[in-house]
Amino acid sequence: DIQMTQSPSSLSASVGDSINIACRASERIGTFLNWYRQKPGKAPELLIYAASTLQTGVSSRFSGSGSETDFTLTINNLQPEDFATYFCQHYSYTFGPGTKVDIK
Amino acid sequence: QVQLQESGPGLVKPSETLSLICNVSGGPVRTSYYYWGWSRQSPGKAPEWIGTIFYTGKTYYNPSLKSRATITIDTSKNQFSLRLNSVNAADTAVYFCARHHPFGSGSYGWVDPWGPGNRVTVST
Repeated sequence: DIQMTQSPSSLSASVGDSINIACRASERIGTFLNWYRQKPGKAPELLIYAASTLQTGVSSRFSGSGSETDFTLTINNLQPEDFATYFCQHYSYTFGPGTKVDIK
Repeated sequence: QVQLQESGPGLVKPSETLSLICNVSGGPVRTSYYYWGWSRQSPGKAPEWIGTIFYTGKTYYNPSLKSRATITIDTSKNQFSLRLNSVNAADTAVYFCARHHPFGSGSYGWVDPWGPGNRVTVST
């Protein structure tokens, strides 16, 4: 089975900062990789699918890159609503453990 | 736009059956474009996929649930359901229903949108 890991597990940042979150797959998966944001007490929201395609309605501050085993979610100009937990997910519905982004 | 809403009990006794319904509005479940599915999430953990269903009734399940899960669909009511039998404390979680976007000929892909979630506690 494919395993997903993320780094870091948590990070602190300020409004206006840019951050990168890494996701690694245990085997080559092409671009079969999605990213979600989950605010506390809420359901996950799809941000990026197919590694780099921005979901309709999602801010262009979010971007995704990578292929095969190494992927990155970049968030530019962090906004208050971006302080949340981010998950990567392989198409087989295997999720990474999450990266919590909190306010510095 | 499509919206999903889970409903069901918040408390289930150990060894009993957990039953949840997902009502879908803003679009039909009877569509060849999407699957419909259930996931759950324990506190501080990543979501865990439970299973998905197509409008024809074809299902896919997470093997880790050891056949305890059953998902059904009622196109006349525009809803689908989850039953999880022989529950124990480890089944305590928030249960989400969602629309699944398949890639290619299989059921795998991405998930959007999600319902708000139904918190279920397994306890006496």
